[in-house]
Amino acid sequence: AIQMTQSPSSLSASVGDRVTITCRASQDIRNDLGWYQQKPGKAPKVLIYAATGLQGGVPSRFSGSRSGTDFTLTISGLQPEDFATYYCMQDYNYPRTFGQGTKVEIK
Amino acid sequence: EVQLVESGGGLVKPGGSLRLSCAASGFTFSSYTMNWVRQAPGEGLEWVSSIRSSGGYMYYSDSVQGRFTISRDNAKNSLYLQMNSLRAEDTAVYYCARTWTVAGTDYYLDVWGKGTTVTVSS
Repeated sequence: AIQMTQSPSSLSASVGDRVTITCRASQDIRNDLGWYQQKPGKAPKVLIYAATGLQGGVPSRFSGSRSGTDFTLTISGLQPEDFATYYCMQDYNYPRTFGQGTKVEIK
Repeated sequence: EVQLVESGGGLVKPGGSLRLSCAASGFTFSSYTMNWVRQAPGEGLEWVSSIRSSGGYMYYSDSVQGRFTISRDNAKNSLYLQMNSLRAEDTAVYYCARTWTVAGTDYYLDVWGKGTTVTVSS
């Protein structure tokens, strides 16, 4: 199975900060990666698909990028509603695998 | 409105069985790959199983292979997860999720239900 190594596991940031979260795949997965946001007690919600595609209705402050097997989620100008846990998931093959998650907390 | 609603969760003893259901509405259910994803208390997301649109192909995580069976009834717009030989480590919220599927190729999980809670305890 493809391993997805996500970092950091948590971070503290202030409103307005630029935040970056990284996932590294254990092998080439092309652009087959999505980023998901989950708030406490709620279902996850997709933000980014195919590494860089912005899902409809998601604010443009969220962006994704890829460099080889490294994938980055960037939040440009953190908003109060962005404090949540973020996960990557590869959809290159089965079994699907998630990163361990990054909890974004208020500084 | 596109919607997924899970049901069937509850408290079960170790070694017991449970069947989860997911009712889909607002889209052509038979055109999409469907999934179960779970989240143990305080833990991250874990993909559990997927089934292709026709039901001909199923995939499982190593942790549930041989114990869980995914199935679907396209006439009833429903997805199921039969869970046997349950263990304490199967305790989790179980989410039903749709895969965005285009021309037979599976992509990301674009629609999620609210989840149903399974607790395995004596």
